[in-house]
Amino acid sequence: RKEVEQDPGPFNVPEGATVAFNCTYSNSASQSFFWYRQDCRKEPKLLMSVYSSGNEDGRFTAQLNRASQYISLLIRDSKLSDSATYLCVVNIGAYSGAGSYQLTFGKGTKLSVIP
Amino acid sequence: NAGVMQNPRHLVRRRGQEARLRCSPMKGHSHVYWYRQLPEEGLKFMVYLQKENIIDESGMPKERFSAEFPKEGPSILRIQQVVRGDSAAYFCASSLPRGEQYFGPGTRLTVT
Repeated sequence: RKEVEQDPGPFNVPEGATVAFNCTYSNSASQSFFWYRQDCRKEPKLLMSVYSSGNEDGRFTAQLNRASQYISLLIRDSKLSDSATYLCVVNIGAYSGAGSYQLTFGKGTKLSVIP
Repeated sequence: NAGVMQNPRHLVRRRGQEARLRCSPMKGHSHVYWYRQLPEEGLKFMVYLQKENIIDESGMPKERFSAEFPKEGPSILRIQQVVRGDSAAYFCASSLPRGEQYFGPGTRLTVT
């Protein structure tokens, strides 16, 4: 089983649509969770952290279900500029005194918002 | 405040040559991470360094790859005797202790 698994898509949606992405992770010891976006041939950029209580940032809502080891991202009122690959990212947070903080990335879900 | 800088942005090497990739962390950041993204794959952690120390190299291939972060100057990821399978995008990230990782624009290595 892959450490972080995502539906690769692509998701092709019209402007203004609501779209949801899901992600599952295999390591139950994971401590921190994030959604990054990556534009074509660019670096990943942090979109938002994901908390157990769920969190919202404008049109973006993230949810975490620790029991099911499941993370989701909801985008409302999609814009053309939302077209990108969305990366689900997990951190084991094995802070063993050496401060190791490696991020584990999913392969990403590609979103295309169509006019 | 300049972000994470990487150079070169594109690097072409023939099989058997050496590749040196440089990363200058964000100002004030003392933690550097290297990740590799193979075509159509997710980013994979390679190594985590602090100044003059390798903290976690669990993602580094056992041979031909090395990394350093000297007291002065950028972090260097060195790949000796490159092979076609090394062609990838190599991203560097930096952070404060326990802080968010900010990524550089990456170096795209092509081995011919």
